[in-house]
Amino acid sequence: SQQGEEDPQALSIQEGENATMNCSYKTSINNLQWYRQNSGRGLVHLILIRSNEREKHSGRLRVTLDTSKKSSSLLITASRAADTASYFCATVPLSGSARQLTFGSGTQLTVLP
Amino acid sequence: GAGVSQSPSNKVTEKGKDVELRCDPISGHTALYWYRQSLGQGLEFLIYFQGNSAPDKSGLPSDRFSAERTGGSVSTLTIQRTQQEDSAVYLCASSQTGNYGYTFGSGTRLTVV
Repeated sequence: SQQGEEDPQALSIQEGENATMNCSYKTSINNLQWYRQNSGRGLVHLILIRSNEREKHSGRLRVTLDTSKKSSSLLITASRAADTASYFCATVPLSGSARQLTFGSGTQLTVLP
Repeated sequence: GAGVSQSPSNKVTEKGKDVELRCDPISGHTALYWYRQSLGQGLEFLIYFQGNSAPDKSGLPSDRFSAERTGGSVSTLTIQRTQQEDSAVYLCASSQTGNYGYTFGSGTRLTVV
């Protein structure tokens, strides 16, 4: 079953606007990561936020984490057509033997020129 | 190499045949992961290696699937007696131990006809 669920499933915006994607998860986590995927092939790691962090920035990306609500958001500011891709959140559990990331089903972002 | 390398990039096979997929991780990355992704879906965890051992095989969908890793480096995922539902993109990723993001390969697109 999917640990992370992204919302919305699809998002279409105009170039220059901001895009916000949300992710909810179910179990306690060690960290949460966001990835980008173009054309259904390899994923690119965007940003990692640890469970004791609340906000993190990387260029035009801003990620927030609310562990009390078990949710995270990814904000892309001043979007560009090249940002068009699928975005996935993924979590690493806090405890147990599992070390692998568990991915959500993704948000398909389309940025219109 | 500079990135995670997967081969072949595309594979078409007849139902019932065996296939072998290869992953060459980033040098020095001790952790290696296999995922698969069906069309328009999120990533499904298959197996995780730490060094040559596989602490978590829980994602392998059936006993037709097996994987090994030798020398703490290259890994092969073998699917025996392939079925049409095995058609998917198989993604390999590697990471350093600790709170690091994964580096993904470009995947192998498997089509079973």
